[in-house]
Amino acid sequence: ETGVTQTPRHLVMGMTNKKSLKCEQHLGHNAMYWYKQSAKKPLELMFVYSLEERVENNSVPSRFSPECPNSSHLFLHLHTLQPEDSALYLCASSPDRARKPQHFGDGTRLSIL
Amino acid sequence: DAKTTQPTSMDCAEGRAANLPCNHSTISGNEYVYWYRQIHSQGPQYIIHGLKNNETNEMASLIITEDRKSSTLILPHATLRDTAVYYCIVKGSGTYKYIFGTGTRLKVLA
Repeated sequence: ETGVTQTPRHLVMGMTNKKSLKCEQHLGHNAMYWYKQSAKKPLELMFVYSLEERVENNSVPSRFSPECPNSSHLFLHLHTLQPEDSALYLCASSPDRARKPQHFGDGTRLSIL
Repeated sequence: DAKTTQPTSMDCAEGRAANLPCNHSTISGNEYVYWYRQIHSQGPQYIIHGLKNNETNEMASLIITEDRKSSTLILPHATLRDTAVYYCIVKGSGTYKYIFGTGTRLKVLA
């Protein structure tokens, strides 16, 4: 139990569907992150929110839309995805950008048909 | 952010110490060294971090060389459950960016 919960754990969707991934942290952290991990590739940072404000956006296609309504919740809204978007999507949180480490959830395994 | 270099894979006998090296020759003075591991189908798990002094916790020890250009993660008595990919990351306090490389795939053998 890491204190970061992601739902759903698995998601299969068609290219024309709209779905959302949810992340919730119970650690009192101020920053939340979305990462993408494709097969046999390193983790890629997608978005970072600090105190509900987006502070990093690493050239992610607009078919991925993040939302951070408060410091405990983070969403990733998905629409018209491509097969290459199939991956493990990981959420993490940290106290802030200082030296204290991130803590990760166990991810959502996304498959695009 | 400094880049890190790790061996692709290592094997270790169960019960022995596992020593995982990491080179970070371009590290700057305010950058910390972090170690995470990822067991198949799970999210990365934080292990330990340090700046310049050696660190120890219930999971592992971190040895950082005096010039800070390399470090070693030590799992003192490896078990089969320590089989995972281990990531060494260097990050400064002024950034949110943790840059994960391909890590070291550690296999603990019975």
